[in-house]
Amino acid sequence: AQSVTQLDSQVPVFEEAPVELRCNYSSSVSVYLFWYVQYPNQGLQLLLKYLSGSTLVKGINGFEAEFNKSQTSFHLRKPSVHISDTAEYFCAVIPPSGTYKYIFGTGTRLKVLA
Amino acid sequence: GAGVSQSPSNKVTEKGKDVELRCDPISGHTALYWYRQSLGQGLEFLIYFQGNSAPDKSGLPSDRFSAERTGGSVSTLTIQRTQQEDSAVYLCASSLVGTGKDIQYFGAGTRLSVL
Repeated sequence: AQSVTQLDSQVPVFEEAPVELRCNYSSSVSVYLFWYVQYPNQGLQLLLKYLSGSTLVKGINGFEAEFNKSQTSFHLRKPSVHISDTAEYFCAVIPPSGTYKYIFGTGTRLKVLA
Repeated sequence: GAGVSQSPSNKVTEKGKDVELRCDPISGHTALYWYRQSLGQGLEFLIYFQGNSAPDKSGLPSDRFSAERTGGSVSTLTIQRTQQEDSAVYLCASSLVGTGKDIQYFGAGTRLSVL
C-alpha cells in the first residue's frame, strides 16, 4: 500500500525568501506524484505532476519539484515566495496502473509573512 | 460548466438529520470522485464513478453514507443520521477519463458542520 508523509504541518516564511515543502512517500511500486494547492475557501488546484522522464518538474506560479527515487521524495520548492502563495499544499501519489485513487498527505500550510 | 460546482458551500445540521450534498462536474468528464477533508487528516477518498460502471464505494466510512450519479453527470452524496464526526469539508472532483495520469479538477467543497 502507498502512503504519503508531509512532515511539516505549517511553514512560515518571509516574502521573497525561498521555501521547500517536503513530501516523502512509501510504495513498493512506481507511482505518479502530484502537488496540489488549496487557497482559502477554494478547491484544490494542480501545481505540477511527475509521471516519468526528467526528475525536475516545473509547475505553475514558479514552483518546481524534484523526484528522488532513492530517497522516495518529491519536495516542492520556490526560490522566492509572494504573499499570494499563502495556502495549503498537498502532496499526492497514485500508482500508474489500475487505480485512480489519490493517496494524499495531510498537507502543509504555507504562511508567507510580509 | 467552467469548473466543478458544489452546493451548498456551507451546511449546518443537527445530529441525527440527513443531508444531501450536490456536485456538478465539468461537462464531458466521465469520472467523478468524492473526498472528505477532515481537520489535520488530509483528504480521504470516499467514492468514485466512471461512466456507466459500478461505482467504487470502498472509501465510504459507514452505511450511513451513500452517493449516486444521475445521467452520468450530477452526483449527490447523502449522509443519513449525521454524527458530529461527520463534520468536515466534502470535496468533489472530476476528470476526463479516470486514469492515473488524469488531472482531477476539484470543486470548492461543502463545509458540513454537525451540531
